[in-house]
Amino acid sequence: GQQVMQIPQYQHVQEGEDFTTYCNSSTTLSNIQWYKQRPGGHPVFLIQLVKSGEVKKQKRLTFQFGEAKKNSSLHITATQTTDVGTYFCAGTGAGSYQLTFGKGTKLSVIP
Amino acid sequence: DTAVSQTPKYLVTQMGNDKSIKCEQNLGHDTMYWYKQDSKKFLKIMFSYNNKELIINETVPNRFSPKSPDKAHLNLHINSLELGDSAVYFCASSQVGLGTEAFFGQGTRLTVV
Repeated sequence: GQQVMQIPQYQHVQEGEDFTTYCNSSTTLSNIQWYKQRPGGHPVFLIQLVKSGEVKKQKRLTFQFGEAKKNSSLHITATQTTDVGTYFCAGTGAGSYQLTFGKGTKLSVIP
Repeated sequence: DTAVSQTPKYLVTQMGNDKSIKCEQNLGHDTMYWYKQDSKKFLKIMFSYNNKELIINETVPNRFSPKSPDKAHLNLHINSLELGDSAVYFCASSQVGLGTEAFFGQGTRLTVV
């Protein structure tokens, strides 16, 4: 079945440092989504990427979808304490209803 | 107005009991899901329903039985609860065909003692 791998599992950064999490799928994806889960909260949708090589930005967050549509990354510039949480990628295979989540990257930001 | 609501938020129960978690979405979505999040925060899909029909059933013990009375509701019934069932269960919904963004409920923290 479809598998989505995400690394690293944990990342501790000093406030102001950059952060990147990477996502790889075993199969070609029709789209990839990113979610953020704050401690004690529920996953909240951030963005969806659909096109090969697509890059989208949301303020300090930059999302990329690989040319082969099998990998993606989320980069945060100059982290802030409000960025704390677990970031999940989630992919949908072609013709599938199933949204498969990566295991998430837990980001801690040290003030 | 909460888009995806699930109840209860917390559930503490003894081993061997049967319990249910309810989920309702008011977004008009066709597809609803149940996810299990364990202590390591891994989100694993359990079931997916599209227009009241089961379309995904991962390798979940048959003690877990989803029920969808209509496309706005997907309830989860668990028989003979075990210690390993302790986790946070999230209900989610999405509209397939218009992008598959999933909206999650607040989660139900189940503790089996």
